[in-house]
Amino acid sequence: KQEVTQIPAALSVPEGENLVLNCSFTDSAIYNLQWFRQDPGKGLTSLLLIQSSQREQTSGRLNASLDKSSGRSTLYIAASQPGDSATYLCAPWNYGGSQGNLIFGKGTKLSVKP
Amino acid sequence: NAGVTQTPKFQVLKTGQSMTLQCAQDMNHEYMSWYRQDPGMGLRLIHYSVGAGITDQGEVPNGYNVSRSTTEDFPLRLLSAAPSQTSVYFCASSYSTGSKNIQYFGAGTRLSVL
Repeated sequence: KQEVTQIPAALSVPEGENLVLNCSFTDSAIYNLQWFRQDPGKGLTSLLLIQSSQREQTSGRLNASLDKSSGRSTLYIAASQPGDSATYLCAPWNYGGSQGNLIFGKGTKLSVKP
Repeated sequence: NAGVTQTPKFQVLKTGQSMTLQCAQDMNHEYMSWYRQDPGMGLRLIHYSVGAGITDQGEVPNGYNVSRSTTEDFPLRLLSAAPSQTSVYFCASSYSTGSKNIQYFGAGTRLSVL
């Protein structure tokens, strides 16, 4: 059974810092991994999807990397802004009987101070 | 496209009452899922469907029923609400192309059972 751990659980940084959020998973037989953002009281917004054949995926100030063999992914946020404050969730996808479903970590709650 | 639409946004029930949480998507996605999100527990899969007429149980299915009569709709029924079902419920839909599986989430339904 896939288990996902995200470290740290919470992070508070001053505006402008570069930061790294970590995600580890136990079953490395994944097809892809998705990073989501969740604002308080809101739903999940997909940020990046990185396929198992990829090492990195970039969108603006966000860069996600994937090391499938070691069961790790990182989300790098450059030049953080107060608007980046949210909870970030990672979710690997294992193709199988329950295809279409993701296993989520508990998230990293990020606070960026002005 | 409206994406994934959930109704209602908020609901308060008394113990023992029944209700249906609605979920609709207009992206012609095959896969639809229901998750619940609780503090400290992350998102947990309740039920999922891989197509019209096909449903299956996820991690925490007890107390919930689903059906999938059309591609667009995937309602979640609470048969006899219990305080333990107080949670935020998210519906998601997804499609797969090869090794990609991209999930889209609704805004959530916040349910309180008294």
